[in-house]
Amino acid sequence: GDSVTQMEGPVTLSEEAFLTINCTYTATGYPSLFWYVQYPGEGLQLLLKATKADDKGSNKGFEATYRKETTSFHLEKGSVQVSDSAVYFCALPNTGFQKLVFGTGTRLLVSP
Amino acid sequence: DVKVTQSSRYLVKRTGEKVFLECVQDMDHENMFWYRQDPGLGLRLIYFSYDVKMKEKGDIPEGYSVSREKKERFSLILESASTNQTSMYLCASGRDGGETQYFGPGTRLLVL
Repeated sequence: GDSVTQMEGPVTLSEEAFLTINCTYTATGYPSLFWYVQYPGEGLQLLLKATKADDKGSNKGFEATYRKETTSFHLEKGSVQVSDSAVYFCALPNTGFQKLVFGTGTRLLVSP
Repeated sequence: DVKVTQSSRYLVKRTGEKVFLECVQDMDHENMFWYRQDPGLGLRLIYFSYDVKMKEKGDIPEGYSVSREKKERFSLILESASTNQTSMYLCASGRDGGETQYFGPGTRLLVL
């Protein structure tokens, strides 16, 4: 079945460091791909998405490129802030398109 | 803005109690979902509903039931709470045919 694999955390960085969180997927066809973020004490919210191969999703300085050759959708940010500390989830819709399949989440901790 | 609200942020119950978790969305979405979130396991789908009075099992429905009597409200019921149901419960909604889900803030349930 469809699945998403994320790198394990926590990822610990200093402010202004470069961030990469790896995500690879297994799916039938070329589904949309998502990154959701969960700030402390809150529910998940959509961070960015890409709907087809080679698309780049971006929001709040974060970017991710849909790479079908490597079945990857890695999340990047050039300069992280303390306020980016959160748990990040990679996700894709399952073949029924009514449900999302989530990765296990990667916790990011940014220190001043 | 889409708003998804959950009846409680924190809940403490005793083993064997019947527990009701309520979720309300204000965007007239057809689809609603209940997930549980556990460390190292990410989000796992318990049940979802694509219309009033309609429900489908997710990946881990055992020990849970749901009710959707009105379009905006989706309830999760733990018939007889057990300690292994201690978890964070997240509700989400989305429109029919859409892929984005909108999450509530979550209910952290502790079963003693």
